[in-house]
Amino acid sequence: DTGVSQDPRHKITKRGQNVTFRCDPISEHNRLYWYRQTLGQGPEFLTYFQNEAQLEKSRLLSDRFSAERPKGSFSTLEIQRTEQGDSAMYLCASSLVVQGSYEQYFGPGTRLTVT
Amino acid sequence: AQSVTQLDSQVPVFEEAPVELRCNYSSSVSVYLFWYVQYPNQGLQLLLKYLSGSTLVKSINGFEAEFNKSQTSFHLRKPSVHISDTAEYFCAVRDSGYSTLTFGKGTMLLVSP
Repeated sequence: DTGVSQDPRHKITKRGQNVTFRCDPISEHNRLYWYRQTLGQGPEFLTYFQNEAQLEKSRLLSDRFSAERPKGSFSTLEIQRTEQGDSAMYLCASSLVVQGSYEQYFGPGTRLTVT
Repeated sequence: AQSVTQLDSQVPVFEEAPVELRCNYSSSVSVYLFWYVQYPNQGLQLLLKYLSGSTLVKSINGFEAEFNKSQTSFHLRKPSVHISDTAEYFCAVRDSGYSTLTFGKGTMLLVSP
């Protein structure tokens, strides 16, 4: 198993454009999380899925953000009409929900720069 | 709401010196505690965790952390650091009834020869 992967690793876009990121979790993991990390801050929770169901969304997730996990495997995070304040590292994590297991495994992140 | 405080944004130390990275949390319920490490241009890696039982937990590379419920702390220590320990360290908390992690702002550990 190669761990959590994210694509692309870097994205530069102009303000107002739409962007989409992809996350492939560890294959047997049923939970998938999205976090955002800005410079000098720790990761902040955005949303998470259990299988294909989106169970929780942070108030940080404005209506310009949408996340999907259509088949309970990979997930996409789309940002519409990007703003300069969206510039950040977007992290994906996955976990397997079993008794006593609480570890989240993180991917390398997608760094978004909005110019 | 839970929160995590890492008071030191940067900790410079010399190689082979001991180090302590401080972490305090606020939560009204039982918690699970984690330390993650982030090397440059890499994702977060779990360093160690406290779920229950012994309050002293250890990692395979010499780090240890002690859960102190009365002081709501989970400080990370290493008796002798290496250059390769240079990285950013994040403390995180998860309330037992929730699935998401709340992170601190991170502490950059800078080890010099």
